[in-house]
Amino acid sequence: EVQLVESGGGLVQPGGSLRLSCAASGFTFSNYAMSWVRQAPGKGLEWVANIKQDVSEKNYVDSVKGRFTISRDNAKNSLDLQMNSLRAEDTAVYYCARGSNLGVWGQGTTVTVSS
Amino acid sequence: DVVMTQSPLSLPVTLGQPASISCRSSQSLVHSDGNTYLNWFQQRPGQSPRRLIYRVSNRESGVPDRFSGSGSGTDFTLRISRVEAEDVGFYYCMQGTHWWTFGQGTKVEIK
Repeated sequence: EVQLVESGGGLVQPGGSLRLSCAASGFTFSNYAMSWVRQAPGKGLEWVANIKQDVSEKNYVDSVKGRFTISRDNAKNSLDLQMNSLRAEDTAVYYCARGSNLGVWGQGTTVTVSS
Repeated sequence: DVVMTQSPLSLPVTLGQPASISCRSSQSLVHSDGNTYLNWFQQRPGQSPRRLIYRVSNRESGVPDRFSGSGSGTDFTLRISRVEAEDVGFYYCMQGTHWWTFGQGTKVEIK
C-alpha cells in the first residue's frame, strides 16, 4: 500500500524554525518527484515546494523562497521541509504528496505559528 | 503567474442529479511536451485531498466512473453524473503546466 506519513508539526513562535518530515512506503520513492502543499485554517490548497527525483531541481512558491528548504533522502525514503523565519501566515496543515502533480497525499501535519 | 478560476464556488445539488464545476486558467495549459497538466482533487470533510482526475480526463484508479473530466486549452470541467452523499466536500482544480496553482475550491453540498 502506498503511504505517506508526515510528522514534525507543532506550535512555534514567529521567527522560529520547524522541520517537517514525510516517510514514504509502498512505492519506489526515488522514481518520483515529491511535493509539499499547505492549507491554512478554513482556506484552500496552496502548493509550497517540490523536488525532483534526483534533487537536480527544487521549486518554491514566492512566499517561502529564502525561508523554506525542501530536501530528500532516497536511501531512507524520506522527504523534509526545513522552515525558518516562520510567520503567522505560515500557519497551516502541511501535506506531502507524491509527484509534481500530487497523485498521492499524506494525512498532513499541523503547523501553528503564534506567540 | 497562472490564475485558476473555479465556478461556482458553492454548489448545492440534489442526490442522484448531475453536477458540473468549471475551471478556467489565465493562459493555455498545454505544456511544451504536448500534455495538459490539469488535475482535479476532492477533499471530503476532515480528510486529506485525493486526486480524482489527472491530465484533464484520466480517472485515478478506484475513482467511480460517475466522475469525469473534460476540456482543453484554458477551459476545463469536472462532471459528476449522479451525485451521491459521499461526494460532499470541496473540489479543487490544479494546473501543473506553468508551476503549480490551485483554483479557489468549490463546495459541493446536498440540498
